[in-house]
Amino acid sequence: NAGVTQTPKFRVLKTGQSMTLLCAQDMNHEYMYWYRQDPGMGLRLIHYSVGEGTTAKGEVPDGYNVSRLKKQNFLLGLESAAPSQTSVYFCASSLDTGIRNQPQHFGDGTRLSIL
Amino acid sequence: QKEVEQDPGPLSVPEGAIVSLNCTYSNSAFQYFMWYRQYSRKGPELLMYTYSSGNKEDGRFTAQVDKSSKYISLFIRDSQPSDSATYLCAMSAWGNKLVFGAGTILRVKS
Repeated sequence: NAGVTQTPKFRVLKTGQSMTLLCAQDMNHEYMYWYRQDPGMGLRLIHYSVGEGTTAKGEVPDGYNVSRLKKQNFLLGLESAAPSQTSVYFCASSLDTGIRNQPQHFGDGTRLSIL
Repeated sequence: QKEVEQDPGPLSVPEGAIVSLNCTYSNSAFQYFMWYRQYSRKGPELLMYTYSSGNKEDGRFTAQVDKSSKYISLFIRDSQPSDSATYLCAMSAWGNKLVFGAGTILRVKS
């Protein structure tokens, strides 16, 4: 059982380039999330999805777009990369909130450097 | 002021010591409290999950929540070098998004 898988694991981009980060989960979770992790800042939510075909903004959405065309996949796009987007990006998934908030399960991250 | 405060450390202890990790928070609506462990170059993995106040124990790990003080703790007994990692607290109100602390780096020396 793979859980949450992120591709690629590492990437170096030049300013202005675009790219897409892929997240796939095999746990049949409804909710999926994209975070960025920067030193001293903890994990900050970029965008999230509460189900197939839905997306919503998180705490730091500017400069990013997302799509959830299939339940198991959640894509994060950078249309025009900027050095400020150098970070480690984590995808997570969880069951729907239901009666009690469900814990999130994380992938191992994508390390992105923008020169 | 951040919604969740966590001392970044690093906290360095000898093998076998009892470790205490803590977070404070300001939002009284938080009801769900979690601790995640993150090894270097890996994603966070869930360690403990607690609803509302009280204690929860799992092996060498004990999570405590004091909602009156807006303070949560994670205790690690008989700490091992394999416990060396960054520990993240996280919390949320019902139906809301998780808010994470910045993480505490723990180093257990053999």
